[in-house]
Amino acid sequence: DTEVTQTPKHLVMGMTNKKSLKCEQHMGHRAMYWYKQKAKKPPELMFVYSYEKLSINESVPSRFSPECPNSSLLNLHLHALQPEDSALYLCASSFGLGLAGTDTQYFGPGTRLTVL
Amino acid sequence: QKEVEQNSGPLSVPEGAIASLNCTYSDRGSQSFFWYRQYSGKSPELIMFIYSNGDKEDGRFTAQLNKASQYVSLLIRDSQPSDSATYLCALPGEGGSQGNLIFGKGTKLSVKP
Repeated sequence: DTEVTQTPKHLVMGMTNKKSLKCEQHMGHRAMYWYKQKAKKPPELMFVYSYEKLSINESVPSRFSPECPNSSLLNLHLHALQPEDSALYLCASSFGLGLAGTDTQYFGPGTRLTVL
Repeated sequence: QKEVEQNSGPLSVPEGAIASLNCTYSDRGSQSFFWYRQYSGKSPELIMFIYSNGDKEDGRFTAQLNKASQYVSLLIRDSQPSDSATYLCALPGEGGSQGNLIFGKGTKLSVKP
C-alpha cells in the first residue's frame, strides 16, 4: 500500500478564517512533506518533517504552520491567508531522506485551496 | 543553486510512437534523478528513479542517464493517449538530500489517437 491520503479535497476559505489541512500515511515512512503547487508550475517545497521533527522550512510565511503529531500524521494550519495562497497543496512521504530508491517520495492527491 | 531544465512543450506524438522527454541539470555532482508523471488536476506519481549511468527499463518506460553530459531522459515506447500528462524531472537539492527535491518545470506530453 503506497497511499498517502489528504483531507479535505477542496477548501474555500476567507482571509480571516483558520483552517487545517490533514495528511496521513500508514507505510511506516518517517519523512513527510508539504508542497505548494500553482497552476502550470512544478511543486514547491514548503516543509519537511523527519522523525516528527521539522527538518526543512523553506522560508514559508508564518500564516502557514505545520504540525506533525505522530509519524503517520501531518497537518498544515492556515490562518490569515491571502488570495495568492490559492493553490494545490500536496503532502508527500518517504522512508527517509537519503538517496536510496526506497527514499523516494510518494504524493497524496492534494487539497485544492481557494482563498477569497 | 541547482537548476533543472526541461522543455515545457507541448510535445505531441502519435499513438504507438516513442515519446522522448529530456532534462538537463546544472550540478555535476548530482547523483540521483526522478521522473514523475502528473495528470491535469492530480498529484505527481513516481515513474522512474535512476542512479547509475546508462539505461533503466520498466515496462514501456526507459530512463537514460548521462552524467558526463548532465542530462537525463525518459523514453516512452508504444505511447498511448493515457500517457498524455506533464512529466516532471527532479533531483535532490542542496545537501544531496531527497528532502528537498528540485523539480523542473515539466514537459507536457500529448499522445494523439
